[in-house]
Amino acid sequence: AQSVAQPEDQVNVAEGNPLTVKCTYSVSGNPYLFWYVQYPNRGLQFLLKYITGDNLVKGSYGFEAEFNKSQTSFHLKKPSALVSDSALYFCAVRDTGGNTPLVFGKGTRLSVIA
Amino acid sequence: DAGVIQSPRHEVTEMGQEVTLRCKPISGHDYLFWYRQTMMRGLELLIYFNNNVPIDDSGMPEDRFSAKMPNASFSTLKIQPSEPRDSAVYFCASSPSLAGDTGELFFGEGSRLTVL
Repeated sequence: AQSVAQPEDQVNVAEGNPLTVKCTYSVSGNPYLFWYVQYPNRGLQFLLKYITGDNLVKGSYGFEAEFNKSQTSFHLKKPSALVSDSALYFCAVRDTGGNTPLVFGKGTRLSVIA
Repeated sequence: DAGVIQSPRHEVTEMGQEVTLRCKPISGHDYLFWYRQTMMRGLELLIYFNNNVPIDDSGMPEDRFSAKMPNASFSTLKIQPSEPRDSAVYFCASSPSLAGDTGELFFGEGSRLTVL
């Protein structure tokens, strides 16, 4: 079975500081990993994905994520946070060996304070 | 493309009433998903379709919930009778496939349901 854990319900960071939103996963085979962002009263929007290749994936709005197979993690990062980055962030996983829908984490609310 | 279109955006109803939520997926997408989002449970997959056929409805909470996809461009999620605990935001999403490299989901803006 596939699962995703986002250990932090809330992350607070000052504007201009680096941010990290944590995600760990569990799959039986190899993972496809995704990050989505949800702004207030909006649907989820795709940020980035890891399929294969380089462990550092770059996505929209200056975000990046690092795939770490040994730690089964896929943390989302940004070097310098903006107030406009404040939103709800979801990590999701799918096993490459199966034809199944994405499994989402519970989400982490990021607040960037000016 | 206009993206995934959901209606209504907001629905307020009284307990016991029937609620119908509607979704138009992105043209050409073979997969359609219905999710429910609440503070307590996060994002839950209710049901998904492939080429208009329901594949997995194990996430549907109970018999009061039903979903249909009569054609490739339209799906409904119905709750009858509705209860206050059904209050949530319901999202529809579509995807061209479940393959990892192309299997990202495209979400609608959601339907916020309040059952009084």
